Amino acid sequence: AQSVAQPEDQVNVAEGNPLTVKCTYSVSGNPYLFWYVQYPNRGLQFLLKYITGDNLVKGSYGFEAEFNKSQTSFHLKKPSALVSDSALYFCAVRDFYGNNRLAFGKGNQVVVIP
Amino acid sequence: GAVVSQHPSWVICKSGTSVKIECRSLDFQATTMFWYRQFPKQSLMLMATSNEGSKATYEQGVEKDKFLINHASLTLSTLTVTSAHPEDSSFYICSARRDSSGNQPQHFGDGTRLSIL
Repeated sequence: AQSVAQPEDQVNVAEGNPLTVKCTYSVSGNPYLFWYVQYPNRGLQFLLKYITGDNLVKGSYGFEAEFNKSQTSFHLKKPSALVSDSALYFCAVRDFYGNNRLAFGKGNQVVVIP
Repeated sequence: GAVVSQHPSWVICKSGTSVKIECRSLDFQATTMFWYRQFPKQSLMLMATSNEGSKATYEQGVEKDKFLINHASLTLSTLTVTSAHPEDSSFYICSARRDSSGNQPQHFGDGTRLSIL
């Protein structure tokens, strides 16, 4: 089955500094990758996806992610973090089983320090 | 676009009560809808997948008779927790997707916090 790994539990970053949230994937075939963000007591919001094409994908709220096939990674990045970016971030990969459902990583808590 | 509305947001009820949660795609037709359960500070656990007009596909370990799913139209799916008990207390989240291929992202509702006393 397809899977993603988010190795860190929490990412702390000072406001204004670059933010990176790491994700590596394990798939058979071409990966379809997604990033979502979750604020407290809310559902997940879609940020961006990689299906094919340019390795650098731009998404919502100034986020982008770089697909790296050789390193099997899809790290989420933002050049300058805001306090409002503090949230739970999930990486996901399309699983070819079960109606092409998503397989989610465990999530990363991002804390942006003012 | 791609707004998913989930209702209610919060439910507090007595043990033994059945609770229905609605998930609506407001501005698109959802070929597939998903129901998840999430525990604090944890990832989403997929409970079941439903396609309009078909029976839901449940994940291993999820009781079909306990968690009834109906996907009667392309814009509405419901999850009914039957005879709920305190161990069913959780955050339930639905999502909807336009296509069946999985190329399109899932769009999520804001979740339902269920507390069983």
